[in-house]
Amino acid sequence: GQQVMQIPQYQHVQEGEDFTTYCNSSTTLSNIQWYKQRPGGHPVFLIQLVKSGEVKKQKRLTFQFGEAKKNSSLHITATQTTDVGTYFCAGLAGGTSYGKLTFGQGTILTVHP
Amino acid sequence: DAGVIQSPRHEVTEMGQEVTLRCKPISGHNSLFWYRQTMMRGLELLIYFNNNVPIDDSGMPEDRFSAKMPNASFSTLKIQPSEPRDSAVYFCASSSIQGVGGNTIYFGEGSWLTVV
Repeated sequence: GQQVMQIPQYQHVQEGEDFTTYCNSSTTLSNIQWYKQRPGGHPVFLIQLVKSGEVKKQKRLTFQFGEAKKNSSLHITATQTTDVGTYFCAGLAGGTSYGKLTFGQGTILTVHP
Repeated sequence: DAGVIQSPRHEVTEMGQEVTLRCKPISGHNSLFWYRQTMMRGLELLIYFNNNVPIDDSGMPEDRFSAKMPNASFSTLKIQPSEPRDSAVYFCASSSIQGVGGNTIYFGEGSWLTVV
């Protein structure tokens, strides 16, 4: 079945440093979504990417979808303590209906002040 | 608007007992998902419904787990009998899926289950 791998598993940064997490799928995706889960909280939708090579920005967050639609990345510029949490990518296999997303294992980000 | 509502938020039960988790999806959403989250296995999709019909239950661990969606505003996930390895956070989520393609999934706050 479809697999979505996410690296790194953990990332510790000093406040102000940049952070990147990568997501790779075993199959071509029709779209990919990113979620953030704060400690003790629930996953919250951040963004969805649909087009090959698409790049979207949300303030300090930059999301990219690979040309082959099999990988994606999330980059945070100048991290802040409020960025702490687990970032998940979730991919939808091409042609799949009903929105059956496959989640990556997540990257746990800690930010030291 | 109210989000996805789950109950109970926390439950501690003894091995062998029946556990029932409840979920009220966002009004108007036609898809409902049950996920389980553990440190070891991450976020796993157990089952999802579309228009109250179970579409894919391949993630349900074993026969001890069952899920129902009797109407558009209510779903249950039942574990009987429960075992310590079932300890996890169980998330219910809903979405408005139309046709092929993905839509935003809205998660509830989760039910934290501990089986001792």
